[in-house]
Amino acid sequence: ETGVTQSPTHLIKTRGQQVTLRCSSQSGHNTVSWYQQALGQGPQFIFQYYREEENGRGNFPPRFSGLQFPNYSSELNVNALELDDSALYLCASSLGTTGLNNEQFFGPGTRLTVL
Amino acid sequence: DQQVKQNSPSLSVQEGRISILNCDYTNSMFDYFLWYKKYPAEGPTFLISISSIKDKNEDGRFTVFLNKSAKHLSLHIVPSQPGDSAVYFCAARRGSNSGGSNYKLTFGKGTLLTVNP
Repeated sequence: ETGVTQSPTHLIKTRGQQVTLRCSSQSGHNTVSWYQQALGQGPQFIFQYYREEENGRGNFPPRFSGLQFPNYSSELNVNALELDDSALYLCASSLGTTGLNNEQFFGPGTRLTVL
Repeated sequence: DQQVKQNSPSLSVQEGRISILNCDYTNSMFDYFLWYKKYPAEGPTFLISISSIKDKNEDGRFTVFLNKSAKHLSLHIVPSQPGDSAVYFCAARRGSNSGGSNYKLTFGKGTLLTVNP
């Protein structure tokens, strides 16, 4: 059973650019959540996708968008990058969205730096 | 508005002693709590959890205590080992039985635990 993987590991972009981060969920997991972890902070929920549809969103602007594909991979897209978007982006996969014990398994993250 | 607070940024203990990591929350809708451990360059790893219907959950060297009236939980590690050195995150979510989806984890800022040999 493979774990959650993310690519790339590190990325440097400039203000105003667009970026796509990728995540491959754990096999069989139909739910993926994305989190942003700024330096010195805990992860903050961006949104969740369940069966290829957005299933909930945190306090992030529309320029943060996502996609989930039938093969369990997913993308986080950020348009019009700002300096404050510099952070570690984590994806987490789980099986289902309800029930108290659907543990979320995290990937290693993508470190995005916006200059 | 920080709904989950870990007020100690760091904690240092001697190997073999007890480590106690604390967490407070403000949202009374939370009814499921989790602890994650994070090593550098890795994603958070689930450690232990507790439902609000319990006040204690134990798994080997790790025990989580929940004081619902005080909105406080703590993670005890006994005995502490150098390999336990990591950042520990407390997280909370609303359970499905509270009328909301449990999709969102709300994290604290984390506590860096250092266990000295």
